[in-house]
Amino acid sequence: AQSVAQPEDQVNVAEGNPLTVKCTYSVSGNPYLFWYVQYPNRGLQFLLKYITGDNLVKGSYGFEAEFNKSQTSFHLKKPSALVSDSALYFCAVRVGLTGGGNKLTFGTGTQLKVEL
Amino acid sequence: DAGVIQSPRHEVTEMGQEVTLRCKPISGHDYLFWYRQTMMRGLELLIYFNNNVPIDDSGMPEDRFSAKMPNASFSTLKIQPSEPRDSAVYFCASSLRGAGSYEQYFGPGTRLTVT
Repeated sequence: AQSVAQPEDQVNVAEGNPLTVKCTYSVSGNPYLFWYVQYPNRGLQFLLKYITGDNLVKGSYGFEAEFNKSQTSFHLKKPSALVSDSALYFCAVRVGLTGGGNKLTFGTGTQLKVEL
Repeated sequence: DAGVIQSPRHEVTEMGQEVTLRCKPISGHDYLFWYRQTMMRGLELLIYFNNNVPIDDSGMPEDRFSAKMPNASFSTLKIQPSEPRDSAVYFCASSLRGAGSYEQYFGPGTRLTVT
């Protein structure tokens, strides 16, 4: 079964420093991977996805993610963190790669806190 | 595009009452998902539809929960009777199956409080 793991419940980083939010996946076949962000009292917002192609994927708000097949990882990164990046981040993988369907399996989320 | 629309945004009801949550997906999307989010259990998929047909309802917690999608632009999630443990934020999301697509777009959620 397809799954993702987010090993850190919380990540703290100083504003201006680079940030990384970790995600590892377990799938049979080629993975379709996604990152979402959730601000307080809001729905999840799509940030970026990896389907195929370049291992470095760029998304919204200056975020990017690197797909690493050998390490089965899809870490979210940003070169310079902002206080406004503080939010809950979810990694997700598409289920049903061979049978169709757009069902996603989400990780447990990582709370990012960016401090001045 | 208006995005996914959910109503009401907040609902407070007493135990035993019927609750109906509503969702309008993004026009043209052919998948619709209902999720529940709580601190204890995180984000849970309850049910999803493809072309208005329920595909997987294995996440629906009990028979008290039911969902319908009478047409491509409207879906409801009903809880009858409601219980305090149903208190959560309920999200609706939609997506389009197509080349390079698959991502889901979420609505703002309905915060349900059952007293």
